[in-house]
Amino acid sequence: DQQVKQNSPSLSVQEGRISILNCDYTNSMFDYFLWYKKYPAEGPTFLISISSIKDKNEDGRFTVFLNKSAKHLSLHIVPSQPGDSAVYFCAATFGNEKLTFGTGTRLTIIP
Amino acid sequence: GAVVSQHPSWVICKSGTSVKIECRSLDFQATTMFWYRQFPKQSLMLMATSNEGSKATYEQGVEKDKFLINHASLTLSTLTVTSAHPEDSSFYICSARGAGYVGAFFGQGTRLTVV
Repeated sequence: DQQVKQNSPSLSVQEGRISILNCDYTNSMFDYFLWYKKYPAEGPTFLISISSIKDKNEDGRFTVFLNKSAKHLSLHIVPSQPGDSAVYFCAATFGNEKLTFGTGTRLTIIP
Repeated sequence: GAVVSQHPSWVICKSGTSVKIECRSLDFQATTMFWYRQFPKQSLMLMATSNEGSKATYEQGVEKDKFLINHASLTLSTLTVTSAHPEDSSFYICSARGAGYVGAFFGQGTRLTVV
């Protein structure tokens, strides 16, 4: 039972344009969501998070949007840079529970 | 952000031997540590959750006698792969969570190759 889904395994975006990565979840108990970036052979790096009491959180080039009614969140990266090429995982949790990860989306930024 | 250090970053061992991987939170107290395994081109698979001073909780399908987890202090957790076999070759990642924080910070990962 995949409670957190990233339906796009890969995404290619031109440098300078906007990258939009999507994530859907099924467990309505989730109240905190995170995005991680992962390079090959390295551990994930925390990017940005959002609490369910908000619908948007912004940090520099990264913005996360949360649509609770649709159980959907998205990560926007603008402008996209070559260093953004990586695998992006969304994760969700509630209370003190473990993080539940999506399957990841490989983002490739085309110079 | 908080720093989690994982050691070693890579290790090669002979089949039948045991390997210990360390995970340390360097600038915060980790009340909970998580151990993950990642197969090539797949998502992170949670193996177990450990709280300081108590036994680890293993996910379904993970052999607790094969993957020994110790979380003896608030800054250190270890994963020991016992009697390693080539199918245990994988990328192992730890993460640590401090009190009052719902997210987690990850170590750099350990690539284990069993020959």
